[in-house]
Amino acid sequence: GAVVSQHPSRVICKSGTSVKIECRSLDFQATTMFWYRQFPKQSLMLMATSNEGSKATYEQGVEKDKFLINHASLTLSTLTVTSAHPEDSSFYICSANRGNQPQHFGDGTRLSIL
Amino acid sequence: RKEVEQDPGPFNVPEGATVAFNCTYSNSASQSFFWYRQDCRKEPKLLMSVYSSGNEDGRFTAQLNRASQYISLLIRDSKLSDSATYLCVVNLAGAGSYQLTFGKGTKLSVIP
Repeated sequence: GAVVSQHPSRVICKSGTSVKIECRSLDFQATTMFWYRQFPKQSLMLMATSNEGSKATYEQGVEKDKFLINHASLTLSTLTVTSAHPEDSSFYICSANRGNQPQHFGDGTRLSIL
Repeated sequence: RKEVEQDPGPFNVPEGATVAFNCTYSNSASQSFFWYRQDCRKEPKLLMSVYSSGNEDGRFTAQLNRASQYISLLIRDSKLSDSATYLCVVNLAGAGSYQLTFGKGTKLSVIP
């Protein structure tokens, strides 16, 4: 069964709206979660590494004020796309490590900004 | 040079065929290697880890050549359900860090 849950799976909203995406690790504690973005026919690109109780580490070129990440507990990380615009439309996926096992991914959130 | 490079395909093969995918990575310090499978508009799912000694899981065989910085995936007796994009994934930061870098993927279509 799923070990990482992501919600919502689909969002369609107007330009300028802020969108919050939740990523939960089920039945295990994840001190580190990862947020990725995937544009059509492109590879997954790591946006940021989310650390419980501390600030996220953003990859080069990812605006931290645009993509707010909060990892307030060992089972929940949230990504908020602030004032979203059409170019932010993408597939956003979170992942978490369960111990030393390879990452497990959430179902992803397909974001469409009109 | 891209960090993880794959032939994008598509590979169109008949059912029952054997197909091989290749992947190269640029950072010789890479520690962990994986093949993930991604269906259209879905999240990636781990197919198998890749070890230096090579490993097999049913119809799937993965090989790693550290000297050549090359990873391969062999699928035997292809099934229709194998149609997907196969992602070569590398842990570039080394053991103890779980940050992954993905290739663009190789698309496979198995045809009846």
